[in-house]
Amino acid sequence: EVLLVESGGDLVQPGGSLRLSCAASGFTFSSYGMDWVRQAPGKGLEWVAHIGSSYSFIYYADSVKGRFTISRDNAKNSLYLQMNSLRDEDTAVYYCARDRNAPVRGILTRRFDYWGQGTLVTVSS
Amino acid sequence: IQLTQSPSSLSASVGDRVTITCRASQDISSYLAWYQQKPGKAPRLLIYAASTLQSGVPSRFSGSGSGTDFTLTISSLQPEDFATYYCQQLNSSPPFTFGGGTKVEIK
Repeated sequence: EVLLVESGGDLVQPGGSLRLSCAASGFTFSSYGMDWVRQAPGKGLEWVAHIGSSYSFIYYADSVKGRFTISRDNAKNSLYLQMNSLRDEDTAVYYCARDRNAPVRGILTRRFDYWGQGTLVTVSS
Repeated sequence: IQLTQSPSSLSASVGDRVTITCRASQDISSYLAWYQQKPGKAPRLLIYAASTLQSGVPSRFSGSGSGTDFTLTISSLQPEDFATYYCQQLNSSPPFTFGGGTKVEIK
């Protein structure tokens, strides 16, 4: 069974830092890209960051570029999100998601097929 | 790439046929997924590649479209389908934008 379990969410002051973790099990972690997606209270989903299966192809949303760093440790089956210079608007539930890129009708097609339960980050003074 | 979902909310009865649309600001071929989210829960993948049903998802859910216009249809709404639905574009490289969501409520 594929499981993704986030941790590390907390209450932090504006300007502070936090590191989120996502522990993966039930699949070959090193074979999949991974993403972070967040959801502010009462709002929609916002894609945050992507990392390729072999630490390659790292991308960020403009809203977090230069402040957040995505990383992974394939030996530990873990995904991370280092969040610095946190702002009020970073308050959200943060989800990790498995990024499956596989052929559909002969064409490589991506989808987020498994998600963790989320961890809440609150930025407030 | 921006995604515009409509309507933003709708009221429907059990057994109704429900259609949600998602329009992309540029051609994304068939690189579109649909997710269902219930309150306090993580999103759940329903449809990918615009029309391919994810394993385990009931066949009353279907997706169609390509290019810029896409549709999610629930053929006969069930009590467990009341939720918020999101489209997402996954065309080439990020950002993998989500639509604003459509909340399906009980009439």
